This record gives sequence, C-alpha cells and structure tokens, in this order.
Amino acid sequence: KAGVTQTPRYLIKTRGQQVTLSCSPISGHRSVSWYQQTPGQGLQFLFEYFSETQRNKGNFPGRFSGRQFSNSRSEMNVSTLELGDSALYLCASSFRQGFTDTQYFGPGTRLTVL
Amino acid sequence: AQKITQTQPGMFVQEKEAVTLDCTYDTSDPSYGLFWYKQPSSGEMIFLIYQGSYDQQNATEGRYSLNFQKARKSANLVISASQLGDSAMYFCAMRETNAGNMLTFGGGTRLMVKP
Repeated sequence: KAGVTQTPRYLIKTRGQQVTLSCSPISGHRSVSWYQQTPGQGLQFLFEYFSETQRNKGNFPGRFSGRQFSNSRSEMNVSTLELGDSALYLCASSFRQGFTDTQYFGPGTRLTVL
Repeated sequence: AQKITQTQPGMFVQEKEAVTLDCTYDTSDPSYGLFWYKQPSSGEMIFLIYQGSYDQQNATEGRYSLNFQKARKSANLVISASQLGDSAMYFCAMRETNAGNMLTFGGGTRLMVKP
C-alpha cells in the first residue's frame, strides 16, 4: 500500500500571503490529522477530519483551516501568513478513531515564510 | 502540566549496544494509547511501537520494546543492538479516549549512534 503523501514538499511564501497544503491518506483510511512542528513549540495538533467532518481542533487561530473530501484527501489552508508560521506541517492518517489505531505520517511540507 | 515528558534531549550509544529512551506521561483517562515514533533528518515520522493502557504485556516490535510501568506512568523505549541508522529524533506520544484522534507529543530525544 502506498503511504501518506503530502504536496508540496517545500514552500516559500511571504508574509500576508495564503497557502494550501494537500494530504492524501493511506488507501482505506478515513481519519486525517494535521500537526505543526517547530523548534520552539515542538509537535502541536492542528485538527482532525473524519468522514469529511472536523472532529477535533487544536489551539490555533482561525487563520488555520482545513477540509476533507469524499475520497478522504485533506487540505489545510493558512491565510495571512506570519513569520511564526514557518514550520514542518505533518499529516497523519488512520483507519478509524479508536485510541488503539496507529496514525501513519506523511513526509511533511516544509513551509518557510519570509 | 506537561502530558508527555522526555527528559533526555540527547543521547549517545555505541553501535550494537542497547539503549533506553525515557518517557513519562500524565493522564486521568483510564483508557489511553502510547506510541513511539522515529523522525530521521528527512522529517517523516515513522511509527515504531504501540502500548495500550490495558495491555498486560510489554509491546515488542523487532529490536524495539516498550517498558510499560503503568503505576509509575512511564513508557520507556528500549532499542536493542543499536545500528547507525537508528540515529534520529525519537518522540513519545499519547492518545486519550476523550481527545479524539489527537496525539500529544513529548519534546523528543535525539539519539546518536557511534560507530
């Protein structure tokens, strides 16, 4: 089975712009979660989508949004970019939502905001 | 309070030796799962091993084993016979039943394997 894929792998944007990141989960997985990783804050949960519905949201401003399509692919959008948004954005998928279910991560999108 | 604590920012281990990476956690949820991930310099998070709060036996996956001490709220990762390719960041994570699919991560431990 193909793993989780994320596109693009690298992005450079300037402050004030917006960006859209894409995530394709493992085939058959219905849950997609997004995480932000920075040197200062570590790995932080952004949000989770399951069957096209946002099920959980982390403590991030409304500039961060996402959606999930009927084929379980997900996108996240960051509007009005700030320098502090520079980070590795990781997407993870799992089959269900049970606490035993393993989340498998993609390679990440490295966003640099100038 | 920190939910997941990894007290070792960095560690060295000699190739072929065993190493233990520490992880302590804090939760009042009776049902939870504990995970370890490896992150090489490429950035991808690689799943290593899982332990459920109700599992009676410690989890093992090849060279990886999880030393689960529920009363002490610790879930240490043991890597046997270290290899040069084991050099990476290692993250301990927890998922609680009342938190959906959200993983809470520790700060990570950078492991460096010496030849």
